[in-house]
Amino acid sequence: KQEVTQIPAALSVPEGENLVLNCSFTDSAIYNLQWFRQDPGKGLTSLLLIQSSQREQTSGRLNASLDKSSGRSTLYIAASQPGDSATYLCARGNTGKLIFGQGTTLQVKP
Amino acid sequence: GAVVSQHPSRVICKSGTSVKIECRSLDFQATTMFWYRQFPKQSLMLMATSNEGSKATYEQGVEKDKFLINHASLTLSTLTVTSAHPEDSSFYICSASSGSSYEQYFGPGTRLTVT
Repeated sequence: KQEVTQIPAALSVPEGENLVLNCSFTDSAIYNLQWFRQDPGKGLTSLLLIQSSQREQTSGRLNASLDKSSGRSTLYIAASQPGDSATYLCARGNTGKLIFGQGTTLQVKP
Repeated sequence: GAVVSQHPSRVICKSGTSVKIECRSLDFQATTMFWYRQFPKQSLMLMATSNEGSKATYEQGVEKDKFLINHASLTLSTLTVTSAHPEDSSFYICSASSGSSYEQYFGPGTRLTVT
């Protein structure tokens, strides 16, 4: 069964903290792994895309890693800011289809 | 680049009527488009995959006669919710892919409320 699990479901941190969001998937035969951000009532913003041949991708304060053998990906956010508050979704891609996790809702308190 | 639009952004319709949602890729040709549904505080669930010029492939449990998908061109796909009921109220999001990298670009979503 193709499942994607995200832990924790919700997270609240003070501004400035570094944090890690976790994503695990049951099938290691993935094509890529994507991280998205979703603000309330809005669509998805793509943050990082890791191809199966890659181990990590970085964009600004964000770093995403991929370990296919263990079925895990992490999203690292450095020096968190209140504007980072949103729901973060990971999605496992396999020949075009994306299977989404339930998301982690992040609140960064000023 | 890689912009996807949806129209309308919000729609309210009466029970029993049909409503059409458009998904457009503005600056690239989308060989494949995907339709997702998202209930409050839940994740996105893939409803169907459509390739230009072909019939859509529906996920298990999604009624193809209720959710009509048309992908007539490389820049436009439509989702028509027929005989809508209150339980169809949801956030519908489309995405588009050019196929070369399997990366999907998402639209801003359409909030459907059926009264």
